[in-house]
Amino acid sequence: DADVTQTPRNRITKTGKRIMLECSQTKGHDRMYWYRQDPGLGLRLIYYSFDVKDINKGEISDGYSVSRQAQAKFSLSLESAIPNQTALYFCATSENVGYEQFFGPGTRLTVL
Amino acid sequence: KNEVEQSPQNLTAQEGEFITINCSYSVGISALHWLQQHPGGGIVSLFMLSSGKKKHGRLIATINIQEKHSSLHITASHPRDSAVYICAVRSGTYKYIFGTGTRLKVLA
Repeated sequence: DADVTQTPRNRITKTGKRIMLECSQTKGHDRMYWYRQDPGLGLRLIYYSFDVKDINKGEISDGYSVSRQAQAKFSLSLESAIPNQTALYFCATSENVGYEQFFGPGTRLTVL
Repeated sequence: KNEVEQSPQNLTAQEGEFITINCSYSVGISALHWLQQHPGGGIVSLFMLSSGKKKHGRLIATINIQEKHSSLHITASHPRDSAVYICAVRSGTYKYIFGTGTRLKVLA
């Protein structure tokens, strides 16, 4: 079984809808991250969490929110989706800051 | 100008060729990572470097901190090496800056 899983893997939604992307990990890592990837751009950090009680904004957090329900679960929400949030979203975990990051398989989100 | 630049952006090679992908950065870093993104989208970590050189199988990664440059080499390339290779630098406590990737295609 994969160490980092994401659901759904693909999602098509309409402008204005609320969307939740979920991430679960079995690696026992405290650090979890949400990134988005757009064509021609590098991965960009949306939010990160160093433990259940510690959540921080990344460089592009506007329009997104997160919830760290447990050490193993980190969810990303788009409260009111807009077309420029169409992207590939990755969850990642690491044992500690600066350590190797383990990525989920990605969620391809399309907002019409 | 991006803080992390990779070259080339696209690379096509014949099976068996020696391949080099370059990464230059303009910020102070504490570590540099090389990642591989498969055609299906999944990302795996290949190396984490803070100095010198690392080798894993046919892959070799080097870093020159003074020149702010890293290279990823693939020896005896194979079609299964076809992927996007991403350089990422750790700058600051949590911040990672990712390059836009080098798309490699190895032809049989």
